[in-house]
Amino acid sequence: DQQVKQNSPSLSVQEGRISILNCDYTNSMFDYFLWYKKYPAEGPTFLISISSIKDKNEDGRFTVFLNKSAKHLSLHIVPSQPGDSAVYFCAARTSGSRLTFGEGTQLTVNP
Amino acid sequence: DAGITQSPRHKVTETGTPVTLRCHQTENHRYMYWYRQDPGHGLRLIHYSYGVKDTDKGEVSDGYSVSRSKTEDFLLTLESATSSQTSVYFCAISDWTGSGNTIYFGEGSWLTVV
Repeated sequence: DQQVKQNSPSLSVQEGRISILNCDYTNSMFDYFLWYKKYPAEGPTFLISISSIKDKNEDGRFTVFLNKSAKHLSLHIVPSQPGDSAVYFCAARTSGSRLTFGEGTQLTVNP
Repeated sequence: DAGITQSPRHKVTETGTPVTLRCHQTENHRYMYWYRQDPGHGLRLIHYSYGVKDTDKGEVSDGYSVSRSKTEDFLLTLESATSSQTSVYFCAISDWTGSGNTIYFGEGSWLTVV
């Protein structure tokens, strides 16, 4: 039962353009959502988060949007840079401090 | 970087042998987690701990056990390693207090079971 799904295994964009990564969830009890970035041979690093009481959170080039009615989360990166090339995981938290992760999306930003 | 150290970082072991991975933190965080990462599955929770001697199962706990006798150490044991346990294992920590709630990951332990 995959409660958090990232349906696009990969995404390729041109440098300077917008990258949009998507995530869907099924559990309405999730109260907090996060995005992580992962480079090869390294641990995931936290990127940005959003509480379920908000619909948008922005941090520099990164913006996360939450549509609770659609149970949909998206990460926008503007402008995209080659150094953004990595695997991006969305995650959702329920009570009890557990995070459930999606499968990940490999983002490639071409110069 | 969060003060998380995983050991060993790389290990090759034979089927049927026991293996223990260690996670050590210097942040005094209450929560500690073990995840495994596999292609097509993302990060899946194996076990987690919410305090010394307090642990609970995650979504893929079969074949694994954990122990936490001190705040700073969280051990993951494969009692009898199988090839399906070949994976990258990540330890994570959190205290879930204040703003910017998140969990912090270690650098990973690559385990190959042959």
